[in-house]
Amino acid sequence: AQSVTQLDSHVSVSEGTPVLLRCNYSSSYSPSLFWYVQHPNKGLQLLLKYTSAATLVKGINGFEAEFKKSETSFHLTKPSAHMSDAAEYFCVVSDPGFQKLVFGTGTRLLVSP
Amino acid sequence: NAGVTQTPKFQVLKTGQSMTLQCAQDMNHNSMYWYRQDPGMGLRLIYYSASEGTTDKGEVPNGYNVSRLNKREFSLRLESAAPSQTSVYFCASSEDGGVGQPQHFGDGTRLSIL
Repeated sequence: AQSVTQLDSHVSVSEGTPVLLRCNYSSSYSPSLFWYVQHPNKGLQLLLKYTSAATLVKGINGFEAEFKKSETSFHLTKPSAHMSDAAEYFCVVSDPGFQKLVFGTGTRLLVSP
Repeated sequence: NAGVTQTPKFQVLKTGQSMTLQCAQDMNHNSMYWYRQDPGMGLRLIYYSASEGTTDKGEVPNGYNVSRLNKREFSLRLESAAPSQTSVYFCASSEDGGVGQPQHFGDGTRLSIL
């Protein structure tokens, strides 16, 4: 079965400093991986996805993620945090065959001035 | 450009009451999904509909039923609400169930059961 582990429940950064949100996955197959962001009282918005093309994936709002098969990781990064990045972030793996998504437990990103 | 619309946004029920959560998408997507979100647990799939006329159980289907009314609409029904069903419910849709297809989410229904 597919699964993802988000290694930090909370991450705190200062505005203008780099962001690193960590995710490890478990999959018997070549996985499809996603990062979604959820702002307060909103639904989830797709940040980026990996589907076995380039291992470095660029998403919206300056975020990117690197797929590392040897480490079974898909960490999300951004060079410089903005106050508007404060939200909850979910790492997601898709089940092979019909695409049922399996969600991590989320990482809450706090950005201080 | 509405995307996925859920109604109502908030609801309070008493134990044993029934309720239907509505979801509609205007993207001509074939596949639709219902999730629940609980603190510290991410999102868990309740039911999904791969295409119009089909529905299947997800990870946590007990206590729920669904209806894919047409291509646009996918409703979730609680027949006899229980406090354990207090949660935030999200509807999502995707073009089809193909691997790598992103899902598009509504803003959620916040449901409290007393």
